Amino acid sequence: DTAVSQTPKYLVTQMGNDKSIKCEQNLGHDTMYWYKQDSKKFLKIMFSYNNKELIINETVPNRFSPKSPDKAHLNLHINSLELGDSAVYFCASSQFGSSGANVLTFGAGSRLTVL
Amino acid sequence: KQEVTQIPAALSVPEGENLVLNCSFTDSAIYNLQWFRQDPGKGLTSLLLIQSSQREQTSGRLNASLDKSSGRSTLYIAASQPGDSATYLCAVDDYKLSFGAGTTVTVRA
Repeated sequence: DTAVSQTPKYLVTQMGNDKSIKCEQNLGHDTMYWYKQDSKKFLKIMFSYNNKELIINETVPNRFSPKSPDKAHLNLHINSLELGDSAVYFCASSQFGSSGANVLTFGAGSRLTVL
Repeated sequence: KQEVTQIPAALSVPEGENLVLNCSFTDSAIYNLQWFRQDPGKGLTSLLLIQSSQREQTSGRLNASLDKSSGRSTLYIAASQPGDSATYLCAVDDYKLSFGAGTTVTVRA
């Protein structure tokens, strides 16, 4: 019944490794997002996809590559992990892109720890 | 570049007291402003969304106001309860959601 589900919930890995975080939403929403919440709890948008098409790509290193196989899924692949990538990554979805009534539904987060 | 500021960063009140959380933003060209709640180790839960043409929204004990011209929003929580303890985040949507750092609220029983 979970509306936006992310896996894994926790991920501990070594510097230099490549890892992926998966996200699925069963709300029928057209737009999906990845946000990063750092140690100071600041949430920043990384990517936004609308119907599998990239619409927002903030200043994120190209080691981060989102993939949207269909509009219900938005996965995040990270190459050559660095210590500074340690954070909680949140996936979210919404019915529309930016508009007056665009309410986002968030997943529970994936805590990535890079050693 | 949109900047969102929330004051205070933390707040501790006895049960039953009303809560007032403040949010300010620098660019008034927004689609909407949203308030979220985040519990420790959990995701965000949407509380209220105020569209740019609206002045306030209410849901139960929560009331949020929006003054776009001055770049301010206030979230009021009436008759606080220990279950209201959480971090409250304000976010403005001007083609993407920009978040404040949050106000961490503790309601003492």
